[in-house]
Amino acid sequence: EAGVTQSPTHLIKTRGQQATLRCSPISGHTSVYWYQQALGLGLQFLLWYDEGEERNRGNFPPRFSGRQFPNYSSELNVNALELEDSALYLCASSLSDTQYFGPGTRLTVL
Amino acid sequence: GNSVTQMEGPVTLSEEAFLTINCTYTATGYPSLFWYVQYPGEGLQLLLKATKADDKGSNKGFEATYRKETTSFHLEKGSVQVSDSAVYFCALSARSTNAGKSTFGDGTTLTVKP
Repeated sequence: EAGVTQSPTHLIKTRGQQATLRCSPISGHTSVYWYQQALGLGLQFLLWYDEGEERNRGNFPPRFSGRQFPNYSSELNVNALELEDSALYLCASSLSDTQYFGPGTRLTVL
Repeated sequence: GNSVTQMEGPVTLSEEAFLTINCTYTATGYPSLFWYVQYPGEGLQLLLKATKADDKGSNKGFEATYRKETTSFHLEKGSVQVSDSAVYFCALSARSTNAGKSTFGDGTTLTVKP
């Protein structure tokens, strides 16, 4: 069974640009979660999508947004990039209480 | 709200030493508890889980017991290897209307020296 996949693996942007990160959940999983992991820090919860709806949101500004598609894959969009947005962005999917993580997208903002 | 407190790192051990990483939690109701491991440059991998009091989760020589009376879920391994060097995260998932938003500890970095 294929795990959670994320693309791209690495993304380099400059300040002010927009970034789009993609996530495909494990087949059959309807929930997708996004986390930000800045260097040396823990996981910061960003967004939770379930059945196409945004269910919960972490303490991040509105320039962090996303959506979930009918096939349950998801996109995370970050507008007006700032230097401090440089981090590993992790996606996870679940069907019940256990989250399974993808390998992450390393976003670097120059 | 829910919270997870992990033993601060980094932790450095010699190969074949005994490992304990402490984890305590605060939650309403009866959460499920998890340990995840993150190797350098990778995402988090589920290491083990427990869903009710006194359950013991185990995998790859690691184990943790869900202790409701002490609200703890300490990770242990009898003999660590160099390949166990990684960051370990304790987490909980609450069964409530806000379910889905798992709460993670800050992570504990383990380095095992040969």
